[in-house]
Amino acid sequence: GENVEQHPSTLSVQEGDSAVIKCTYSDSASNYFPWYKQELGKRPQLIIDIRSNVGEKKDQRIAVTLNKTAKHFSLHITETQPEDSAVYFCAAPPGLNSGGYQKVTFGTGTKLQVIP
Amino acid sequence: GAVVSQHPSWVICKSGTSVKIECRSLDFQATTMFWYRQFPKQSLMLMATSNEGSKATYEQGVEKDKFLINHASLTLSTLTVTSAHPEDSSFYICSARDLGLAGTYNEQFFGPGTRLTVL
Repeated sequence: GENVEQHPSTLSVQEGDSAVIKCTYSDSASNYFPWYKQELGKRPQLIIDIRSNVGEKKDQRIAVTLNKTAKHFSLHITETQPEDSAVYFCAAPPGLNSGGYQKVTFGTGTKLQVIP
Repeated sequence: GAVVSQHPSWVICKSGTSVKIECRSLDFQATTMFWYRQFPKQSLMLMATSNEGSKATYEQGVEKDKFLINHASLTLSTLTVTSAHPEDSSFYICSARDLGLAGTYNEQFFGPGTRLTVL
């Protein structure tokens, strides 16, 4: 099955600085990579996703980059604000030709703290 | 985006009782729903994949007789924790995917979660 590793597990940044979270995956056939934000006690919310036919996608202050050769993708948050404080999860479904194609493996999560 | 509801949001029960959690897709049809369990400060762990009209697919280590899943319609899946024990206390979250385009991944929409506390 897919193996997803996420780093760092915790990240503290000053308000206004940038934050970068990185995930690596094992299934070279994976082609969809979402990032979720989860606030304490609440459901994960999709904040951005990328498909394998592009290397970068940006939405205002957040961006995701994908390196298929190296099998890693990263979340970039610029001009961080206190409300960005949450736990962020990456995810990587296995390739569609895999037996478990519907299952999504989540990373271990990164607790981001933005210090005012 | 699409809406997934979950009920109840919080339940406290005595050890040995059974608890049923409902997951509904409110404005779309979902042939597949997923059930996750999340312990404090940990990631979401997939428990099972619920398929409408067929048996659920359980992940390794998840007891199917303890966590009963029923997906009777395209908008409702239920998870029943049978004979709950304190170690079953956790945050249970369901998710659903829109039917969408065949052969492509679509966004998963998560329910708000159910916090189960077994005394």
